[in-house]
Amino acid sequence: AQKITQTQPGMFVQEKEAVTLDCTYDTSDPSYGLFWYKQPSSGEMIFLIYQGSYDQQNATEGRYSLNFQKARKSANLVISASQLGDSAMYFCAMITDNTDKLIFGTGTRLQVFP
Amino acid sequence: DAGVIQSPRHEVTEMGQEVTLRCKPISGHDYLFWYRQTMMRGLELLIYFNNNVPIDDSGMPEDRFSAKMPNASFSTLKIQPSEPRDSAVYFCASSSRVVSNQPQHFGDGTRLSIL
Repeated sequence: AQKITQTQPGMFVQEKEAVTLDCTYDTSDPSYGLFWYKQPSSGEMIFLIYQGSYDQQNATEGRYSLNFQKARKSANLVISASQLGDSAMYFCAMITDNTDKLIFGTGTRLQVFP
Repeated sequence: DAGVIQSPRHEVTEMGQEVTLRCKPISGHDYLFWYRQTMMRGLELLIYFNNNVPIDDSGMPEDRFSAKMPNASFSTLKIQPSEPRDSAVYFCASSSRVVSNQPQHFGDGTRLSIL
């Protein structure tokens, strides 16, 4: 069965510091994709970054990077130089080529303080 | 490019009333998804369409829920009759394919409150 686990219900980080949000996944399918979404208090779901199971390099998108450790089945999101606007819920999600459903973790609430 | 557009953004109605949520996917996306988000259950996939055809509706909670996609640019999710336990945020999302390297792009959601 496919599963996404986010063990940090909440995280705090000071502005301009880096923060890592944890995500572990479970699947027996060899081909899968991992995604991170941001949900600010206004409610929308914003796609941030994608990592494919066969990608050799860690994905990066601006201040977001994904620390992909395939053997450990982890796909942690790293936000560098945190900004106040990064305060939001962050969801890790996965879809495999043998399933048609995007599975979400329970989310981590990040709060950035001045 | 315009993203996924949902309406209304908020809906408050009384129990027993019919509720219709609307979605316009990103142009060119062949897949459309309806999700429900609650504190208790997180994000749940209700139904998804491929080329306007419903593919999997196993997540639809009961017969009170129905979804249609009459054309490539419009879908509705209907609840009739509505109940207080239907209160949630309903998201529509679209993608070009349902494979592991294509992100789903979400609309802003409809916050539904059933009194």
